[in-house]
Amino acid sequence: GQSLEQPSEVTAVEGAIVQINCTYQTSGFYGLSWYQQHDGGAPTFLSYNALDGLEETGRFSSFLSRSDSYGYLLLQELQMKDSASYFCAVRFSYNAGNNRKLIWGLGTSLAVNP
Amino acid sequence: EAQVTQNPRYLITVTGKKLTVTCSQNMNHEYMSWYRQDPGLGLRQIYYSMNVEVTDKGDVPEGYKVSRKEKRNFPLILESPSPNQTSLYFCASSSPRDSPYNEQFFGPGTRLTVL
Repeated sequence: GQSLEQPSEVTAVEGAIVQINCTYQTSGFYGLSWYQQHDGGAPTFLSYNALDGLEETGRFSSFLSRSDSYGYLLLQELQMKDSASYFCAVRFSYNAGNNRKLIWGLGTSLAVNP
Repeated sequence: EAQVTQNPRYLITVTGKKLTVTCSQNMNHEYMSWYRQDPGLGLRQIYYSMNVEVTDKGDVPEGYKVSRKEKRNFPLILESPSPNQTSLYFCASSSPRDSPYNEQFFGPGTRLTVL
């Protein structure tokens, strides 16, 4: 079956750097996404990796190693507003056609303290 | 403004009383999906639709129905709600053609309580 694992909670201080890991087990892997969700709000897209390596978008970066079935989200220069839940999601092909699905990790709650 | 809208945002109802949560998107997306979110269980997909008149079960479809008669709308129907369907529900849409990474756009959520 398909599965994702990510830590349930991470705590850091303002200005620091934090890394949220995501390991997955899936066949037909297509790409790894990251979403941010503030309390009570809707998830919003942060980044996507289909190829190995680092993708940088401002203070956020995302990394993927397909050979290790592993990725991470790196948040730099942490701000209080970064306190939120972060979800990894894997897109995979589930049949011989072009059909792809998303499976979601359970989320990592990040608390940024002053 | 490109968006996904859901109605109602909050609903308290009683067991067995049929209800519909509407979802509409104005981005001409082919793909739409419903999720429920419960503490400690993350986002679980209920149903999804690849296009008009094409729907399929997600991971937790029991007790729910959907329809996709128009591209922009994807209502979620609970024919006989039960307390275990108390949850936060999200509708999402995306277009593989517009976004190669299939970015999902989420609605604001509907908080449903079934007594």
